[in-house]
Amino acid sequence: ETGVTQTPRHLVMGMTNKKSLKCEQHLGHNAMYWYKQSAKKPLELMFVYSLEERVENNSVPSRFSPECPNSSHLFLHLHTLQPEDSALYLCASSQVWAGEGGDEQFFGPGTRLTVL
Amino acid sequence: AQKVTQAQTEISVVEKEDVTLDCVYETRDTTYYLFWYKQPPSGELVFLIRRNSFDEQNEISGRYSWNFQKSTSSFNFTITASQVVDSAVYFCALSLWGKSTFGDGTTLTVKP
Repeated sequence: ETGVTQTPRHLVMGMTNKKSLKCEQHLGHNAMYWYKQSAKKPLELMFVYSLEERVENNSVPSRFSPECPNSSHLFLHLHTLQPEDSALYLCASSQVWAGEGGDEQFFGPGTRLTVL
Repeated sequence: AQKVTQAQTEISVVEKEDVTLDCVYETRDTTYYLFWYKQPPSGELVFLIRRNSFDEQNEISGRYSWNFQKSTSSFNFTITASQVVDSAVYFCALSLWGKSTFGDGTTLTVKP
């Protein structure tokens, strides 16, 4: 596979469930990102990992828990979510998490999450 | 704090028309990067262009062109002779120190 892949593509879960979103990049990049895209809000950056270390956490509720076991894989663990967490969750990667922020990001197709 | 404004929520044109998508940004930093991404119905954002704050040269790539003006903090995107395949949501983004701020996006519909 090439580029950035995400699984599952669609997920429906109850508020008491625990699930995980998976992202894998095949580009040899060192930085990976999680974004949330809601119907009426712009893309919201959730987490950034650079060389497997979390470098950005934008006041995301603790019911979202990221994990980056290596530079190619990124997970988002979900538990006790709320209906307002329903959104498209996008994963992205870039060559580096540059100090000047100059690298373009490559995005996966997203996971469409519905919380009942 | 950074902010990106895409005032046009939706634009509809007929094929072969030219269309310009507006982007206005705010930042106090002097070093930053601007991006345009395209999000087709499939969902994944596709990178179109990157411009750093010190390079105000306009750029043309096929039917796409970008006009960067620091004086007005704008980074507008023009599609010439639009095609149905250009229908998508287009996002402008401002990036500095590894953090990207996206605009709300402009939904472009190109009708045959």
